[in-house]
Amino acid sequence: SQKIEQNSEALNIQEGKTATLTCNYTNYSPAYLQWYRQDPGRGPVFLLLIRENEKEKRKERLKVTFDTTLKQSLFHITASQPADSATYLCALVWVGNQFYFGTGTSLTVIP
Amino acid sequence: DGGITQSPKYLFRKEGQNVTLSCEQNLNHDAMYWYRQDPGQGLRLIYYSQIVNDFQKGDIAEGYSVSREKKESFPLTVTSAQKNPTAFYLCASRGTGSNIQYFGAGTRLSVL
Repeated sequence: SQKIEQNSEALNIQEGKTATLTCNYTNYSPAYLQWYRQDPGRGPVFLLLIRENEKEKRKERLKVTFDTTLKQSLFHITASQPADSATYLCALVWVGNQFYFGTGTSLTVIP
Repeated sequence: DGGITQSPKYLFRKEGQNVTLSCEQNLNHDAMYWYRQDPGQGLRLIYYSQIVNDFQKGDIAEGYSVSREKKESFPLTVTSAQKNPTAFYLCASRGTGSNIQYFGAGTRLSVL
């Protein structure tokens, strides 16, 4: 079965620095890879989507890369702010809209 | 919460009791999903429905049941057969042709 691994430990960074979160998967590559943000006690909120044939996607301070050879996606938040503190989930989507979510990485941005 | 309403926010279940979690959406989405989230684990799919009057089991359907009588509503019943129901339950919907899921605020279920 498909296995998805995100940073196993919580990530703490200083305000203003770039946060980099990883999402690794096994087996075959998905058609899409997505990143969601989840705040405590709330549902996830969609942030970015990257397709199998795309290498990089940007949205404001967010950047996602997708390397199907390494079977890895990197999620970057530049100029991080305390308001970016949350748990970030990656989700793999295959044809037929099969969604599989990772366990998430908890990010804390320290002022 | 993107037009998806889950209720109640907190729910307590007694031994041997069935409880129903509500999920309503006004996004006119065809597909709806139920996930369970436990600490340190990713979202695990319980059931999903692509269209009214049709639904499929996800990876952990045992001890749960659903119905999809209306496009807007996808209630989840946690039956007494589910021996470890304590978790955070999330409902989501997706529009036809879209690959984005929109989530509700969740229901936290605990056992008394």
